[in-house]
Amino acid sequence: DVKVTQSSRYLVKRTGEKVFLECVQDMDHENMFWYRQDPGLGLRLIYFSYDVKMKEKGDIPEGYSVSREKKERFSLILESASTNQTSMYLCASSLPDTPGSPLHFGNGTRLTVT
Amino acid sequence: GNSVTQMEGPVTLSEEAFLTINCTYTATGYPSLFWYVQYPGEGLQLLLKATKADDKGSNKGFEATYRKETTSFHLEKGSVQVSDSAVYFCALAKAAGNKLTFGGGTRVLVKP
Repeated sequence: DVKVTQSSRYLVKRTGEKVFLECVQDMDHENMFWYRQDPGLGLRLIYFSYDVKMKEKGDIPEGYSVSREKKERFSLILESASTNQTSMYLCASSLPDTPGSPLHFGNGTRLTVT
Repeated sequence: GNSVTQMEGPVTLSEEAFLTINCTYTATGYPSLFWYVQYPGEGLQLLLKATKADDKGSNKGFEATYRKETTSFHLEKGSVQVSDSAVYFCALAKAAGNKLTFGGGTRVLVKP
């Protein structure tokens, strides 16, 4: 089974802090994704990556950046955390460009910015 | 752009009741369609999928049929169990990179 592991289950940070969310997958998937989940809004794509050092903006990239130095690891960075970034963050991975290929999700990191 | 609309919850049912969650989509071309389920405290996991018109996806007693004429992918289960209590997300993917567009999610609560 594919395993996607997010390093923290819960995080509490202060406004203005730099925050790193880490995600590791063990199935050699090319594609990795960061979503945020908010009640009533479903999941919204922040950034995704097709390969090492490749990244593309999703629907809501403002205030975020990402890093993919190794194939198995995809990091989400909040350069200066703000209260409106309090949310559940979900990482996912998948095979590339195969119609119907599912995303495999981690269990999420619930971030609270105070 | 692409979008997915699903019925708002919460949906509260008794055990063994029939469940339907409506999902409609807007997209160009022929996307793949998915239902994901999120159990309490967990990430999302794929429930079922359909990759072309008239395909029926099924898993764990759930079914959904890809209806191109009505741009819909409604989820159904004939007899729900307490263990089906979860949040259900409808989603679509276009070809490039399997980026998913999600609906807002529907919370389902099944009472014994």
